[in-house]
Amino acid sequence: EAQVTQNPRYLITVTGKKLTVTCSQNMNHEYMSWYRQDPGLGLRQIYYSMNVEVTDKGDVPEGYKVSRKEKRNFPLILESPSPNQTSLYFCASSLSGYSPLHFGNGTRLTVT
Amino acid sequence: EDKVVQSPLSLVVHEGDTVTLNCSYEVTNFRSLLWYKQEKKAPTFLFMLTSSGIEKKSGRLSSILDKKELFSILNITATQTGDSAVYLCAVDDPYNNNDMRFGAGTRLTVKP
Repeated sequence: EAQVTQNPRYLITVTGKKLTVTCSQNMNHEYMSWYRQDPGLGLRQIYYSMNVEVTDKGDVPEGYKVSRKEKRNFPLILESPSPNQTSLYFCASSLSGYSPLHFGNGTRLTVT
Repeated sequence: EDKVVQSPLSLVVHEGDTVTLNCSYEVTNFRSLLWYKQEKKAPTFLFMLTSSGIEKKSGRLSSILDKKELFSILNITATQTGDSAVYLCAVDDPYNNNDMRFGAGTRLTVKP
């Protein structure tokens, strides 16, 4: 089944403790992206990747890192999480940067 | 700055009603407008619109784009409780970080 898989689904952590949210897609998509979703603000792009080893900042990249060492994987790294990073995070992929996105099921992160 | 505004923010109707959701946008370089449906988890793709005046239709859902007035509408006829969801509009601006800029969404509740 074609899908985008994110893990974990839920995560509660404390300020400053490094964490990684994994994202993997099995559709051989070139483009991958991370979004955060907050009430009233919609989906905002954190980082995106047009292809392997090519990543770039979205609208809200501060406090996040990504890597794209393989086509299928695009992990999101929070080196020192803070409470303002409490949010619902979605990974998405598409054939190209302008094709419809396929979303993962989301990761709800709480930073205390 | 690119902007996507959806209205209304929320809507409550009864089964069988017809609803119209609105999406207006201001982007520097428009390529396409996309509609997604978000139930409890991941947004799922509904329509992609690139040309004015051409209706896209899928069952009881339809959508149309007006590139002159910079808006799109999503119509749902004979609503069912399964249509309850948040409907997201996104606009693709290829020169803005390859980002799909999302609106805040319209929360539709269909009561039996």
